Amino acid sequence: GAGVSQSPSNKVTEKGKDVELRCDPISGHTALYWYRQSLGQGLEFLIYFQGNSAPDKSGLPSDRFSAERTGGSVSTLTIQRTQQEDSAVYLCASSPDRYEQYFGPGTRLTVT
Amino acid sequence: EDQVTQSPEALRLQEGESSSLNCSYTVSGLRGLFWYRQDPGKGPEFLFTLYSAGEEKEKERLKATLTKKESFLHITAPKPEDSATYLCAVQAWGKYSGGGADGLTFGKGTHLIIQP
Repeated sequence: GAGVSQSPSNKVTEKGKDVELRCDPISGHTALYWYRQSLGQGLEFLIYFQGNSAPDKSGLPSDRFSAERTGGSVSTLTIQRTQQEDSAVYLCASSPDRYEQYFGPGTRLTVT
Repeated sequence: EDQVTQSPEALRLQEGESSSLNCSYTVSGLRGLFWYRQDPGKGPEFLFTLYSAGEEKEKERLKATLTKKESFLHITAPKPEDSATYLCAVQAWGKYSGGGADGLTFGKGTHLIIQP
């Protein structure tokens, strides 16, 4: 079946601009997660959704970062006023049971 | 704070040369320990979940084991296509909804190269 998809695959933006990253989870998966992977760093947890609600936003690095999920499916991660330190690969994962997480291919964000 | 340390950072083996990757962890109540494989430019690919000390799981040339402090990923007679970065992650019993699903805490990975 179809896996997790993310768009765009690559995004180059200028410092100070806002960006939106999209995640389409595996159909039927109720849990959705966003992570960030920076060069030389491990994957860093950002936010978790169960259905449309986000009980755990503890990993969001600043108030410039926000996320929403609609219809228990698609999620959007928004970064406002992007900074160079936001450059990273943003990964989305979904899970049917809040154990195994299945990852998408990621969006590579470059802030110039 | 949950922590995961993987060693070595990089490992180069000859085809057929077996070895083990280490994942040491500290977690406030282990719900699961996960192994993933990541190829360049791709998202992590799920390999195994281990839930309790003493548990073992196998898949082709890979076997994962778990103790109360660490996990090992054993690679037997590896082939060049096993070259990848192997990631270890832990999930703690969560603070929400009576059961969990806080995000995974990942190690930085072991970059494995298998030379023909």
